[in-house]
Amino acid sequence: SAVISQKPSRDICQRGTSLTIQCQVDSQVTMMFWYRQQPGQSLTLIATANQGSEATYESGFVIDKFPISRPNLTFSTLTVSNMSPEDSSIYLCSVEKGGNTEAFFGQGTRLTVV
Amino acid sequence: GENVEQHPSTLSVQEGDSAVIKCTYSDSASNYFPWYKQELGKRPQLIIDIRSNVGEKKDQRIAVTLNKTAKHFSLHITETQPEDSAVYFCAARPTGKLIFGQGTTLQVKP
Repeated sequence: SAVISQKPSRDICQRGTSLTIQCQVDSQVTMMFWYRQQPGQSLTLIATANQGSEATYESGFVIDKFPISRPNLTFSTLTVSNMSPEDSSIYLCSVEKGGNTEAFFGQGTRLTVV
Repeated sequence: GENVEQHPSTLSVQEGDSAVIKCTYSDSASNYFPWYKQELGKRPQLIIDIRSNVGEKKDQRIAVTLNKTAKHFSLHITETQPEDSAVYFCAARPTGKLIFGQGTTLQVKP
């Protein structure tokens, strides 16, 4: 298994500002992912955080808006930049310890932009 | 890319009845199909998964079936209990990333 610590758990932010979300795993993992879950909706993959290289973004998500860092095999950050109310959502990090195995999720960051 | 469709969006059953949730996927390269349960305000947690070389898997009251030819897989919960009430997500993995279905809100009435 994997224990994931994600913080902050929630925040209320002013529009136009940025928020950085941290994800710390208790062991080294190859794959780390960032998801967005809007209220009552499914999980939408934002990007795959690659250690030692740039993140791979899904269609509709861009690096300027959601810059990601992955400095080592246990840590990643997602920044939500120049926020607007439409960015209000839950952001989740997820890790997988090997190919075709279970994905574990952090507890999520509930972001409200006012 | 992969597209996962999940039905129904809501499901209400009486305690003790069975519940079935169905998903279809589009990418024949998908080879891993997990099911996640998400309780209100909590993180998704894996309840069962199946790989493409298996047609059925069972774990106590929960079972998953996979039809690769038809590209669909289903979650079966028997003898439902109120604590089964949650949102359930199916997912498929084509290459390295999970693509989730839209979710099913299951309500089990006592």
